[in-house]
Amino acid sequence: DGGITQSPKYLFRKEGQNVTLSCEQNLNHDAMYWYRQDPGQGLRLIYYSQIVNDFQKGDIAEGYSVSREKKESFPLTVTSAQKNPTAFYLCASSIQGGGDPMDEQFFGPGTRLTVL
Amino acid sequence: AQSVSQHNHHVILSEAASLELGCNYSYGGTVNLFWYVQYPGQHLQLLLKYFSGDPLVKGIKGFEAEFIKSKFSFNLRKPSVQWSDTAEYFCAVKRNDYKLSFGAGTTVTVRA
Repeated sequence: DGGITQSPKYLFRKEGQNVTLSCEQNLNHDAMYWYRQDPGQGLRLIYYSQIVNDFQKGDIAEGYSVSREKKESFPLTVTSAQKNPTAFYLCASSIQGGGDPMDEQFFGPGTRLTVL
Repeated sequence: AQSVSQHNHHVILSEAASLELGCNYSYGGTVNLFWYVQYPGQHLQLLLKYFSGDPLVKGIKGFEAEFIKSKFSFNLRKPSVQWSDTAEYFCAVKRNDYKLSFGAGTTVTVRA
């Protein structure tokens, strides 16, 4: 069953702690993305990766870090530098990323992070 | 600032009523346009998309959208909604840098 998995579904952390959110895809997609969803603000791009071992900052990268060591995995670390980390985080993937306007993004189920 | 605007935050309507959700964008040049839907408890999924050609695009579940270039708009429509259309709807624009920008979303509640 192909798709994107994100774990865990709910995550609680104390303020000041780093936390890593998992995203795995078995769609053989080259490109992967992380978005943050806040009520009334839609989705905002945090980081994206068009190929293994390469990634770029999105619109709101401050306080976040990523790695792309494997094609199927794109973990996101929310660091203590992120001022408002409580949010719903969505991971997405697409066949090849930039350059193809018809490239469609597929989304995972999301992780709801609450920082206490 | 370049942006995607969805005019309604929350729409409540009865079954069989017609639905129209507004979406305007402020990016210049060529854009590609999308509507995504998030049903309660489910993944965000693509409803329809426009790249070129016929500005009236048909999507899944009876939805359609019309691209009006002169108005920078891409409004979503459905002639007769069902209870199962209750969801959050997001308009998105693929920019010249091939990144997606999303609107704030519109929550649609359909009363049985």
